[in-house]
Amino acid sequence: AQSVTQLGSHVSVSEGALVLLRCNYSSSVPPYLFWYVQYPNQGLQLLLKYTSAATLVKGINGFEAEFKKSETSFHLTKPSAHMSDAAEYFCAVSDQTGANNLFFGTGTRLTVIP
Amino acid sequence: SAVISQKPSRDICQRGTSLTIQCQVDSQVTMMFWYRQQPGQSLTLIATANQGSEATYESGFVIDKFPISRPNLTFSTLTVSNMSPEDSSIYLCSVETGQGGEQYFGPGTRLTVT
Repeated sequence: AQSVTQLGSHVSVSEGALVLLRCNYSSSVPPYLFWYVQYPNQGLQLLLKYTSAATLVKGINGFEAEFKKSETSFHLTKPSAHMSDAAEYFCAVSDQTGANNLFFGTGTRLTVIP
Repeated sequence: SAVISQKPSRDICQRGTSLTIQCQVDSQVTMMFWYRQQPGQSLTLIATANQGSEATYESGFVIDKFPISRPNLTFSTLTVSNMSPEDSSIYLCSVETGQGGEQYFGPGTRLTVT
């Protein structure tokens, strides 16, 4: 079975500061890992994905995430936060067996302080 | 990627009534999914809708309460039946394009049951 844990339901950073959103996964098989962003009153938008190629994955809007198998982690980072980054971020995992189900974490709300 | 639209975008309904939510995709896809996002929470998969077969429901969700149709490869509907205030949620449809396991989401339908 697959699951993800997002540490910190709320994260606040100053504009221009480093953004670090944590995600740890549990999977009995090699996982696919995803980060999604949800802006207020909108659906989910895919930020980036890991599918067993390069362990450092670059996504949209300057975000990136590194797959660390030894730590079962897939933390999301951005060097410099913008006000427009304020949103809810969800980590998700699926397996590679074709089941296609995504299992979402509980989400992290990012606040950017001017 | 895929462009997904949902109708209605929001609705306020009385308890005991039913609401049908439509999901339209701009390309043919095999896998479509329906999720529920309760206020302040993460996404929970309701069911997987495959064209030409009955939907597959997750634990805790039943066909009588959430009947799903999938008449073709670009369209699906989810009905929330005999609604109660506990059904107040955002309902999202998504598609899996077969290009790495990621899913693309519609904008969601915000349902309030009074």
